[in-house]
Amino acid sequence: GDSVTQMEGPVTLSEEAFLTINCTYTATGYPSLFWYVQYPGEGLQLLLKATKADDKGSNKGFEATYRKETTSFHLEKGSVQVSDSAVYFCALRSPGGKLIFGQGTELSVKP
Amino acid sequence: GAGVSQSPSNKVTEKGKDVELRCDPISGHTALYWYRQSLGQGLEFLIYFQGNSAPDKSGLPSDRFSAERTGGSVSTLTIQRTQQEDSAVYLCASSSPDSSGNTIYFGEGSWLTVV
Repeated sequence: GDSVTQMEGPVTLSEEAFLTINCTYTATGYPSLFWYVQYPGEGLQLLLKATKADDKGSNKGFEATYRKETTSFHLEKGSVQVSDSAVYFCALRSPGGKLIFGQGTELSVKP
Repeated sequence: GAGVSQSPSNKVTEKGKDVELRCDPISGHTALYWYRQSLGQGLEFLIYFQGNSAPDKSGLPSDRFSAERTGGSVSTLTIQRTQQEDSAVYLCASSSPDSSGNTIYFGEGSWLTVV
């Protein structure tokens, strides 16, 4: 069945460091891919998405490119801030199917 | 409403009691999901409703868990004979008519504590 694998956390970075959170997926069809974020004490929010191969989703300085050849959707940000500290979830949804999440990666950014 | 609404936001119950958790999806959204998030854990899929199709119940952990969706809108997740391991945040989400790229919106969750 469809699945998502994320790099394990926690990830601890200093402010202004470069961030990469790896995400790979397994799917039989052509899923849409998502990154959701959960800030401390808050609900899940969509961060960005891509619906087809080579699409790049971007929001709040974060980017992720849908790579069909490597079945990946890695999340990147050039310069993280303390306010980016949160748990990040990679997810996929196949047509007609349910949203499937990775295990989540906790990011902690220190001043 | 403006977003996915869940109630109660917090529930403490005694082991062995039944609980019902309610979800009001965004108006017009035909897809509705229930997930469970245990402390420090990821998101565990429970059940998925899509329009008039038979729900995908493949994630329900035991026959103590059930869910229904009345009139294609409000959904209720029922946990019978609650156990301590049922303690978690139960998240409801909805999205507009089926397209895999449509954004799925989450509610704030119902925090369940079984004592």
